[in-house]
Amino acid sequence: EAGVVQSPRYKIIEKKQPVAFWCNPISGHNTLYWYLQNLGQGPELLIRYENEEAVDDSQLPKDRFSAERLKGVDSTLKIQPAELGDSAVYLCASSAGGTSTDTQYFGPGTRLTVL
Amino acid sequence: SQQGEEDPQALSIQEGENATMNCSYKTSINNLQWYRQNSGRGLVHLILIRSNEREKHSGRLRVTLDTSKKSSSLLITASRAADTASYFCATDGSGYSTLTFGKGTMLLVSP
Repeated sequence: EAGVVQSPRYKIIEKKQPVAFWCNPISGHNTLYWYLQNLGQGPELLIRYENEEAVDDSQLPKDRFSAERLKGVDSTLKIQPAELGDSAVYLCASSAGGTSTDTQYFGPGTRLTVL
Repeated sequence: SQQGEEDPQALSIQEGENATMNCSYKTSINNLQWYRQNSGRGLVHLILIRSNEREKHSGRLRVTLDTSKKSSSLLITASRAADTASYFCATDGSGYSTLTFGKGTMLLVSP
């Protein structure tokens, strides 16, 4: 069974440029998460989807970050414009259900460097 | 914000030794989970312990939970070089449907 797929794996951009990350969850997983992980820290939730609906986006900086999950499968996370402080690893995860007891399966992440 | 706090921040041991990591959290939980992250396999779920459980085993892993002290420990017995990774505890805190991760413990197991 294929795991969570993310692309690109690495991205280097200059500040003020836009950037987008793509995630394909495990087939059949209705719940999708985007996390941000800074160096030396644990992942922090940005947004959680149940099918197409964003059910928890309270930690998403909406002035520059946006996300979508059209058709309830793939998802895209966008930053526009990127700032130096956005340099981090962006992780996507999926789970079969939306409760905390449902195991989350993580993708390899996209490492973003903003110059 | 980080709900869990792992201790120690870093741990270095020899192969065959046991490794113990601790996690403290602040609010009441429904369950607590441990994850492992290394460069090869990314972030992987290890074990989940519910708030009404005190101890749980999975292979060489033993997890304990003390809800009165709001703390948990992860014991890895007979460690191997392949156990070298960062270990994170995650709690479901106030949301019960989302996880909040700690900062992690970096474990180095030397051959």
